[in-house]
Amino acid sequence: QLQLQESGPGLVKPSETLSLTCTVSGGSISSSSYYWGWIRQPPGKGLEWIGSIYYSGSTYYNPSLKSRVTISVDTSKNQFSLKLSSVTAADTAVYYCARDITRGNWFDPWGQGTLVTVSS
Amino acid sequence: SYVLTQPPSVSVAPGQTARITCGGNNIGSKSVHWYQQKPGQAPVLVVYDDSDRPSGIPERFSGSNSGNTATLTISRVEAGDEADYYCQVWDSSSDHYVFGTGTKVTVL
Repeated sequence: QLQLQESGPGLVKPSETLSLTCTVSGGSISSSSYYWGWIRQPPGKGLEWIGSIYYSGSTYYNPSLKSRVTISVDTSKNQFSLKLSSVTAADTAVYYCARDITRGNWFDPWGQGTLVTVSS
Repeated sequence: SYVLTQPPSVSVAPGQTARITCGGNNIGSKSVHWYQQKPGQAPVLVVYDDSDRPSGIPERFSGSNSGNTATLTISRVEAGDEADYYCQVWDSSSDHYVFGTGTKVTVL
């Protein structure tokens, strides 16, 4: 059974870079047809897609965040990572990683999520 | 950019039917997917491609999509169905995923 687990600092200072890693278990991140995505949810609010990556390194991002986002993949570790630069309090959210069922479809399954708070 | 509008809340008695709408411009031309999110938990896919169910999702969950509205229907509602529900589509014009505003389902 495929499982995803987010990890990284729970507190980031304003203007710094948020960095998270998603570890995939129970399957290979190099499986064809699947992308791997990041989605976030501010406290008490809705879901926002951040971006997705293919095992080859091909990426696509939410246009509203594209200038600050970098997603990378490490197939040797079965992991993919998120970097979000110049963070502000508005970036405080639960960050989820999920399998992206080919570009343009749906997300399944999701990781449990990790809360990242932006505060000095 | 493409906007998906959902009612903030829906209330339903146990055993009755809950219908959650997702409105968007010509949404019937897109594939709509639905997620259930219980408090403190990650979203779970309950319907994909308008009306298909992943394995393990009860038949009580069904979906439809036409015109400007997609609908998630929960039949014979149970207390355990109380959750937030989100619709999601792919906006090909701007090349990104869009989620609906979310609907809180309360079981009376």
